Amino acid sequence: GAVVSQHPSWVICKSGTSVKIECRSLDFQATTMFWYRQFPKQSLMLMATSNEGSKATYEQGVEKDKFLINHASLTLSTLTVTSAHPEDSSFYICSAREEEALRTGELFFGEGSRLTVL
Amino acid sequence: AQSVAQPEDQVNVAEGNPLTVKCTYSVSGNPYLFWYVQYPNRGLQFLLKYITGDNLVKGSYGFEAEFNKSQTSFHLKKPSALVSDSALYFCAVRDSYSSASKIIFGSGTRLSIRP
Repeated sequence: GAVVSQHPSWVICKSGTSVKIECRSLDFQATTMFWYRQFPKQSLMLMATSNEGSKATYEQGVEKDKFLINHASLTLSTLTVTSAHPEDSSFYICSAREEEALRTGELFFGEGSRLTVL
Repeated sequence: AQSVAQPEDQVNVAEGNPLTVKCTYSVSGNPYLFWYVQYPNRGLQFLLKYITGDNLVKGSYGFEAEFNKSQTSFHLKKPSALVSDSALYFCAVRDSYSSASKIIFGSGTRLSIRP
C-alpha cells in the first residue's frame, strides 16, 4: 500500500518556540493531505485539510495562525505549531489520499508525531 | 450529516476465541466504510474497506467485516484472536454522495486479547 512518512516522531520544545512537522507521501502523489490531533484515549480530531498549491481549509475552532499548514508540493505537507504552549502538547497525525482512491477516499496515515511542550 | 458509532470502549477476548468489534453508521447516501488499527504511539494502519459488492469484506491480518445495510452496521470480526491483535481499532465512514465529504472516525475501541 501507499506509504506516508511523518517526521519527527517525537519532539520536545520550550514554551513559546515553534515546531515544524513534516508529512511526506513516499510512493504516490497526494494533492490532498489531512492533519489530525489525537488526545489520550480519544479519537482523531480533524484539524485541517491541506491542498497542494492553495491555502489549507481549517476545521471550526482550529486557529489558523497557531497551526500553519503549507503544502508546497504533491508529496510534502508541513504543520508548524507556532508559539507553542503546554496545551498544544498532543499526538499529531497526518494522512494522505492516493489519487486512485480519490473516489473512495481511503486514507494512508503517517506514524504520528508526539509533541511535548514544556 | 454523517456519523459513526463504536458502542464499546473496550473489548476483552481470550486468545484463540472469535472477536467482534462493533460499528454502526449514518450517512445520507451510500456509505464507504473503513476499519483502521492503531498501535501505541503509532499512526493508523488500514485494515479493510467496503465500497460496493460482497457484504463480507476480507482484510489484513485475518480480519473481516460484514456490511449490513438494514442494520447500518459494519462490525469487525476475526475467527481466532491473537495476543498481537491487542490495539485500538477505529471504524470510519464517508458518504459516497459527495466527493467532498470527509472521512469521519468513530471514538475507537480498545481490543485486549489475553493469553
